[in-house]
Parts: sequence; C-alpha cells; structure tokens
Amino acid sequence: EAGVTQFPSHSVIEKGQTVTLRCDPISGHDNLYWYRRVMGKEIKFLLHFVKESKQDESGMPNNRFLAERTGGTYSTLKVQPAELEDSGVYFCASSLRQGGREKLFFGSGTQLSVL
Amino acid sequence: DAKTTQPPSMDCAEGRAANLPCNHSTISGNEYVYWYRQIHSQGPQYIIHGLKNNETNEMASLIITEDRKSSTLILPHATLRDTAVYYCIVRVYDDYKLSFGAGTTVTVRA
Repeated sequence: EAGVTQFPSHSVIEKGQTVTLRCDPISGHDNLYWYRRVMGKEIKFLLHFVKESKQDESGMPNNRFLAERTGGTYSTLKVQPAELEDSGVYFCASSLRQGGREKLFFGSGTQLSVL
Repeated sequence: DAKTTQPPSMDCAEGRAANLPCNHSTISGNEYVYWYRQIHSQGPQYIIHGLKNNETNEMASLIITEDRKSSTLILPHATLRDTAVYYCIVRVYDDYKLSFGAGTTVTVRA
C-alpha cells in the first residue's frame, strides 16, 4: 500500500514567486491535513480537509496560502506570493477517520526555500 | 500552549532499552497520550497511543502512571535507526489536530 506522497520534495523559489505543493493521501483516506515547520519552530497544524471540504483552516497563516482538494483526492497548497518567512518543511498527512483515536500517516514533506 | 514536558535530549546505547519520559500533569479524562517520532528527512511517524492502560505494539511500549500525569515510552532494544526526535502529544478523543512540542532528540550510539 502506497503511503502519503508529496511533490516536490524540494523547491527553491525567489521571494514574490508562486509555488504549488501537492499531496496524494493514502487511497481511501477522507481526512487530509497540512502541517508545516518553519525554521527553528515546532511543527504546526495548517488545515484539515474532509473529502473536498475544508473542515478547519484555523492554522493557515494568511491569505497568501490557498489549499484545495478538488474531487476529494489529492490536495494542493499554493503560496502566492511567497515570502522569506514561508521557508520551511510542509507536511501532508491523512487518516481514514477523524478523531482522537485515529493515527495520522505523514508524507516526507516538501522543503520550501524562499530566497 | 504546550500540554506536555519532555527532556530536550537523551542518548541511548544500541541494543539497550530507551526510556523516554513525558509529563502531562494537566491531562483531562478524555485525553489520550500519543507518541510520534520524526527521523531526519522524513515525516512524523506514529508509534503508539494510550488512554490509561499500558500499551504495547511491535514498535514500543507505553507506560502511563495511575494518575495519568506522566508516561514513559519504552523502545525495548534501540537500534541506530531509532535515532529521531520523539514527540509526546496529548490529544482529546474527537480532536483531529496534533500539537507537536519540541520533543526529545534521541541519539542511539553504537
């Protein structure tokens, strides 16, 4: 069974450019999450999808970030325009069901460097 | 808003048991204790979770004190591949978010 896959694994862009990160969850997992770790900080929750619907986007830092999950399968996270402070590792995770007893399966992340 | 306290780092000898402590003195009755780890260049990986009983799986054992204010993750026979940052997370039953703290950096030495 394939795990959570993220693409690209690394992205280097200049300030002001646009970057789109992609996440393919485990097949059949309705719940999809985005997290990120910026330099020197802890891993933080960004948002949660249930199928194609945004359940909670309270962790999104500002309106330069846009997450979508059309069709309830893969998800994209777009940063436009990127700023220096957006540099970090962006993780995607998925779970079969929602709830505290569910374990999340994480991808290996996308390392984003904004220069 | 950290709910857990862990030592920042610890070393362990290969082949020996690694005992990772975690304090969660403000834990509520409906909160589970979860452990995840992050090996370098990988995403966080689920290890184990429990409510009040001790738990064991193929990766580790989780010992929760009777008052539930602290717990210990035990890696029975640490290998070099267990070198990682280990996160102790307290999570409400219906909460889908994970609040990662700073974790414990565990270094397994040959």
